[in-house]
Amino acid sequence: ETGVTQSPTHLIKTRGQQVTLRCSSQSGHNTVSWYQQALGQGPQFIFQYYREEENGRGNFPPRFSGLQFPNYSSELNVNALELDDSALYLCASTQGGGTEAFFGQGTRLTVV
Amino acid sequence: DQQVKQNSPSLSVQEGRISILNCDYTNSMFDYFLWYKKYPAEGPTFLISISSIKDKNEDGRFTVFLNKSAKHLSLHIVPSQPGDSAVYFCAASVGANNLFFGTGTRLTVIP
Repeated sequence: ETGVTQSPTHLIKTRGQQVTLRCSSQSGHNTVSWYQQALGQGPQFIFQYYREEENGRGNFPPRFSGLQFPNYSSELNVNALELDDSALYLCASTQGGGTEAFFGQGTRLTVV
Repeated sequence: DQQVKQNSPSLSVQEGRISILNCDYTNSMFDYFLWYKKYPAEGPTFLISISSIKDKNEDGRFTVFLNKSAKHLSLHIVPSQPGDSAVYFCAASVGANNLFFGTGTRLTVIP
C-alpha cells in the first residue's frame, strides 16, 4: 500500500508566476483535499475533490484551482502568485466517507 | 475566525511523565475530532480520533478525552518518550468533510 506522495518537495517562484503542485493519493482513496500551512499556523483547507469533482472549498480566491484525475491523483494550481502564498502545501487523501485523512510530506513553496 | 484553538504553543515534559495537550473548539456542529503529530519536513501523521458520541478513546499510550459541554478535548500521552517530541495538531470536522486545525503545540520530551 503506497502512501500519499507530493511533488515537488520544494519550489521557488517569482511573484506573478503560476505554479502546479501534484499529489498521488493513497491506494484505494478516492477523495483528495489540499491544505495551506503558513509558518506558525495550522493547515487551512483550500478545497476537496471527490471522483473528479470539487466537493467543498475553503476561503481561498479563485486563482487557487484544482483537478482530480481518474486515478484519483490531483493537482493544485495557483495563478498570479503573491508573496503571501509562500507556505507548505499539503495534500491529504481519504476513502470516500472516511474521516481519517492521510497526508503527504508537503510541497514548500517560496514566492519571491 | 479560528474554530479550533490550541492555546499552548509549547509544552516540555520529563521522559516517563504524562503529557497533556489541550484543544478548544467553538463550532458545536463538529462531530469528529482528530490529533495529528508533525515532525519537521514531514506531513502530519494521524494519531488518534474520537467521535462526538464518545467521551474517551484509547490507543496504547495515547488517550483522547472529549468534553462536549465545555467544547474541549485533550490528548494524554503516558508515559512520554523522547520520540514523542513533535508538533501536535488538533483537528475537527463536520461529518467526513474538511478538517479545521488548531495552530499546534510543540511538545518536547526531555530525556
